Amino acid sequence: EAGVTQFPSHSVIEKGQTVTLRCDPISGHDNLYWYRRVMGKEIKFLLHFVKESKQDESGMPNNRFLAERTGGTYSTLKVQPAELEDSGVYFCASSPVGQGISAGANVLTFGAGSRLTVL
Amino acid sequence: KNQVEQSPQSLIILEGKNCTLQCNYTVSPFSNLRWYKQDTGRGPVSLTIMTFSENTKSNGRYTATLDADTKQSSLHITASQLSDSASYICVVSASHAGGSYIPTFGRGTSLIVHP
Repeated sequence: EAGVTQFPSHSVIEKGQTVTLRCDPISGHDNLYWYRRVMGKEIKFLLHFVKESKQDESGMPNNRFLAERTGGTYSTLKVQPAELEDSGVYFCASSPVGQGISAGANVLTFGAGSRLTVL
Repeated sequence: KNQVEQSPQSLIILEGKNCTLQCNYTVSPFSNLRWYKQDTGRGPVSLTIMTFSENTKSNGRYTATLDADTKQSSLHITASQLSDSASYICVVSASHAGGSYIPTFGRGTSLIVHP
């Protein structure tokens, strides 16, 4: 079974530019999450999709961040325009929908992350 | 505000020794607690998951405990190996309406195992 795939693994851009990160979840996982880890700090939740719908986007820092999941498959996270404080590692995770922990729900499988460096 | 505090921040031990990592949380309403291992350059991988009624869970040389009354968890690593060198992250989830879960992450404990 293929895992969660993220692209690119590392992106270096200048302040003001645009970057789009992509996440391919495990096939059949309806839940898709985006997280961000800024250096020296904890991983923080950004948003949660259930299929193509945004279930919770309370963690999105501001309107420079736009996440989409057209068709309920892969997801993109666009940062436009990028600022210095956006630098960090962006993780994507997916999980199946189920009834409670025993069904495997809420056991997130993470991708390797996309490291974003804004200069 | 939901918070997860981990200690120590970093730890260095000799290969073959045991160690215990701590996690204190204030997350409500509590749903479950997970320990993840994150190797450098990789995403976190789940080690254990415990619900309110479980107070211990093992996965090979990893044993997690949970005290829901004091809101504390520990991860005990037995007979450490060089491959155990990684960041160990405690994640506590609160349950929400509709069955969704929003996890709160600790900052992690960085473990280095020396030969």
